[in-house]
Amino acid sequence: EDQVTQSPEALRLQEGESSSLNCSYTVSGLRGLFWYRQDPGKGPEFLFTLYSAGEEKEKERLKATLTKKESFLHITAPKPEDSATYLCAVQADSNYQLIWGAGTKLIIKP
Amino acid sequence: GAGVSQSPSNKVTEKGKDVELRCDPISGHTALYWYRQRLGQGLEFLIYFQGNSAPDKSGLPSDRFSAERTGESVSTLTIQRTQQEDSAVYLCASSRAQLLNTGELFFGEGSRLTVL
Repeated sequence: EDQVTQSPEALRLQEGESSSLNCSYTVSGLRGLFWYRQDPGKGPEFLFTLYSAGEEKEKERLKATLTKKESFLHITAPKPEDSATYLCAVQADSNYQLIWGAGTKLIIKP
Repeated sequence: GAGVSQSPSNKVTEKGKDVELRCDPISGHTALYWYRQRLGQGLEFLIYFQGNSAPDKSGLPSDRFSAERTGESVSTLTIQRTQQEDSAVYLCASSRAQLLNTGELFFGEGSRLTVL
């Protein structure tokens, strides 16, 4: 069964304290792995797509990496405005649907 | 509008009542998705439209749930005889075509449904 697990459920950091969020997946043939950001009361907002192991994507203070079993979202020197829930989703070769993780709630304290 | 629009943003209803949720996708987006998001859980796929047809209704939890789309535009999700377990945020998303290359879906802000 295709599955996505995100950890930790919540992460509290001080402003400027770098860290990583994890997305582990099992899927029968990965078509793509996607990261989204969700602010309270809003819909998810697309961040990155990763297609193959070893691929990396960057956007401002965020960098996403991919291996054959997991993806990491690295956040460097975060700011309070980076506080949000970060969602990971995978798409299998055999199915166009996205399988979503439960998300990691990131809180950056000033 | 420029983004996906959903209404109502909040709906409180009594158990057993019917509710209708509306989604207005980005103009020109042929693919439209409905998801359900319960607190602390991942997005749960409900139904997918390509144009006005729904090739995949596999996520609808029961026959109390139905959806339609007209004019390759507005979609409505109807929940009949609501139950307390239907309480959740219902998210609509659209994309230019069937989710293929980029994984980029454009989401509305959701409709929060509370069934008393």
